[in-house]
Amino acid sequence: AQSVTQLGSHVSVSEGALVLLRCNYSSSVPPYLFWYVQYPNQGLQLLLKYTSAATLVKGINGFEAEFKKSETSFHLTKPSAHMSDAAEYFCAVRDSSASKIIFGSGTRLSIRP
Amino acid sequence: DTEVTQTPKHLVMGMTNKKSLKCEQHMGHRAMYWYKQKAKKPPELMFVYSYEKLSINESVPSRFSPECPNSSLLNLHLHALQPEDSALYLCASSQEAERGARERQFFGPGTRLTVL
Repeated sequence: AQSVTQLGSHVSVSEGALVLLRCNYSSSVPPYLFWYVQYPNQGLQLLLKYTSAATLVKGINGFEAEFKKSETSFHLTKPSAHMSDAAEYFCAVRDSSASKIIFGSGTRLSIRP
Repeated sequence: DTEVTQTPKHLVMGMTNKKSLKCEQHMGHRAMYWYKQKAKKPPELMFVYSYEKLSINESVPSRFSPECPNSSLLNLHLHALQPEDSALYLCASSQEAERGARERQFFGPGTRLTVL
């Protein structure tokens, strides 16, 4: 069965600091991986997706993620945090049924001034 | 138009009420989804419609009844809900169901439901 594990339910960084949100996956099929962001009282917005074309994936708002098969990881990074990055971030993987995605438990990112 | 809209934004209902949530997209997507999200939790898939037919029902109680009247609309009919059903209900769409699992799902802003 496919699954994702997000390490750390809450991450806090200073404005301008590196953002690193961790995600490890388990998949019996070639994985399709996603990062979604959810701002307070809003729906989810796709940040980026991995679909085997390139291991380093660039997304919106300066975020990127690197697929590392040897580590079964797909960590999300941003070089310099901005106050507007404060939100909930979900890593997700395609289910083996191929018709749905499975979300991780989420990581809340807080930005300190 | 790359938007999924949902109405109402907020809904408060009693346990004996009947209400409906509505979702609409005009991107030509043929797969539409209902998710339930409790506070501080990830979204949980409830239903998937593919080409206007129900393709996935994640063992959702019958007090939730989905309906897809056409390719642009998705409804969720609610009847005899319980207070624990209070949550954010998210609608999403994708070009096709399998592509939504490997490309992208577009999410609406959600309906925040409170059951008294």
